[in-house]
Amino acid sequence: AQRVTQPEKLLSVFKGAPVELKCNYSYSGSPELFWYVQYSRQRLQLLLRHISRESIKGFTADLNKGETSFHLKKPFAQEEDSAMYYCALDSNYQLIWGAGTKLIIKP
Amino acid sequence: KAGVTQTPRYLIKTRGQQVTLSCSPISGHRSVSWYQQTPGQGLQFLFEYFSETQRNKGNFPGRFSGRQFSNSRSEMNVSTLELGDSALYLCASSLGTGGVEQFFGPGTRLTVL
Repeated sequence: AQRVTQPEKLLSVFKGAPVELKCNYSYSGSPELFWYVQYSRQRLQLLLRHISRESIKGFTADLNKGETSFHLKKPFAQEEDSAMYYCALDSNYQLIWGAGTKLIIKP
Repeated sequence: KAGVTQTPRYLIKTRGQQVTLSCSPISGHRSVSWYQQTPGQGLQFLFEYFSETQRNKGNFPGRFSGRQFSNSRSEMNVSTLELGDSALYLCASSLGTGGVEQFFGPGTRLTVL
């Protein structure tokens, strides 16, 4: 079955510390994966997708097919990174979502 | 470019009633997807429409239905409302091909009493 797992409901790190938000997926085929973010009182929005291999707001995510992971990383967290982060898998015209990780950056 | 709009933003209904939610996609977007978001189940896919055709449907009962019009606007309908239907219903639009960014609306908060 297709599934996206985000094992951490909540992640709290200090400003300036590295951040890693975990995402594992189950999918037969070549996955198309995304990270979406929802800042307080804002709409859900795309942060990055693996096919573009971009770094957005200092975040990167590498697809590891061997470990079926797509972890989101940032070397130095900033207070404005506090938000809800969702990993999503594109499958047959639908997005399959992880449960989300709430990231809190402490000053 | 105007973003995705959803109406109404808030809705209170009682059990057994039906409800219709509306979504206007970004101009030029032909795909509209609907999601249900609850604290317990998170984000769950309801259905996706492209050029008035439903291409995929999530695992929801037949009480949940939708449609898309020729101008790409979409509606979803929930009949015989149950308490468990209380949720935030999100609509997202995209250009429609696989692996593309979805743009989300603000959602409709449905409360069933």
